[in-house]
Amino acid sequence: EVQLLQSGGGLVQPGGSLRLSCAASGFIFSNYGMTWVRQAPGKGLEWVSAINGGGGSTYYADSVKGRFTISRDNSNTLYLQMNSLRAEDTAIYYCAKVHSGWYTSFDYWGQGTLVTVSS
Amino acid sequence: QSVLTQPPSASGTPGQRVTISCSGSSSNIGSNTVNWYQYLPRTAPKLLIYSNNQRPSGVPDRFSGSKSGTSASLAISGLQSEDEADYYCAAWDDSLNGGVFGGGTKLTVL
Repeated sequence: EVQLLQSGGGLVQPGGSLRLSCAASGFIFSNYGMTWVRQAPGKGLEWVSAINGGGGSTYYADSVKGRFTISRDNSNTLYLQMNSLRAEDTAIYYCAKVHSGWYTSFDYWGQGTLVTVSS
Repeated sequence: QSVLTQPPSASGTPGQRVTISCSGSSSNIGSNTVNWYQYLPRTAPKLLIYSNNQRPSGVPDRFSGSKSGTSASLAISGLQSEDEADYYCAAWDDSLNGGVFGGGTKLTVL
């Protein structure tokens, strides 16, 4: 059974940093791209970042480029390092497994973790 | 303002067929496949359609997708009360070199 278990959310001050984790099981992690998607309060889904199976290719939304870093390791864990956080980064963050094609088709999702950026 | 444009709302009565549109450009829908998600707030989104018109296993055939040029559509036939949710389209954008979602369509079953 595929499972994505997220951790690492919470309250952080503007300008601060936070790292999200997504522990994967039930599939060959290195064979699949992974992504982060978020939903801000009262807003729609927003694609944030993606990484290929080998970890050598990464992609970012313009809104987070230069501030967020996506990575993955051999312990079957996906990360999102978030620096220079802003109020507008407040959202529920989801990790997701790529189903097929380019990084917009996701068949399994984490449970979501809330990130609140506020003083 | 989302890169992909969806109507903010749609509605139908049980048993009806409803369609939700998703309009983009040559750099996204025009050159890449479209995916559709069903989303209930505070739950994980569910993949309904991938590669324009393919259904993952377990998704009822009441849901279907199509694409023409720079636009795509999601059709739901035999509407049921449990279909009341938010629906999002998504595609890769070659100009942005990233993924983009539509703004979402809230479907109400009257």
